[in-house]
Amino acid sequence: AQSVTQPDIHITVSEGASLELRCNYSYGATPYLFWYVQSPGQGLQLLLKYFSGDTLVQGIKGFEAEFKRSQSSFNLRKPSVHWSDAAEYFCAVKGGGNKLTFGTGTQLKVEL
Amino acid sequence: NAGVTQTPKFQVLKTGQSMTLQCAQDMNHEYMSWYRQDPGMGLRLIHYSVGAGITDQGEVPNGYNVSRSTTEDFPLRLLSAAPSQTSVYFCASSYKRGGPGNEQFFGPGTRLTVL
Repeated sequence: AQSVTQPDIHITVSEGASLELRCNYSYGATPYLFWYVQSPGQGLQLLLKYFSGDTLVQGIKGFEAEFKRSQSSFNLRKPSVHWSDAAEYFCAVKGGGNKLTFGTGTQLKVEL
Repeated sequence: NAGVTQTPKFQVLKTGQSMTLQCAQDMNHEYMSWYRQDPGMGLRLIHYSVGAGITDQGEVPNGYNVSRSTTEDFPLRLLSAAPSQTSVYFCASSYKRGGPGNEQFFGPGTRLTVL
């Protein structure tokens, strides 16, 4: 069975600082990996996804993520955080079917 | 395109009452899914459908029923609501063609409280 671990429940960064959100997955074959963002009271928006090719993927809003098979990780990064990035971030994995398995989320707070 | 729409946005039920959460999409997506979101638990799959007339259970199906009579609609039914079903419910859809790399599009959610 596939699973996702997001070890950080809350993260606080200062505006302008760099950001890295951790995600570790468990799946026997090459996974399909996703990062979603959820603003308060809103639905989920896709930031980026990985399913083959270049292990560094670029997404919207200046985010990127790197797939590392040896570490079973898919960490999300941003060089300079903006106050509007404050939200909850979810990592998700999809196996051979179309069922997404989500991590428990990381709440990002941005200090001005 | 309206994308994925959900109604109602908010609902309060008493224990034992029944209700249907509506979900519709206008993107001609084959796949549709229902998730519930609870604090500290992320999103968990309740039921999903790979096309009209075909549904299957997800991770937490107990207490919920679904049907898929059209491509566009995928309602979620609570036959006898329980306080444990207090949650935020999200509907999502995606193309089947192209495989698992397809993005799932999410609706805005329904916040349900069961007293």
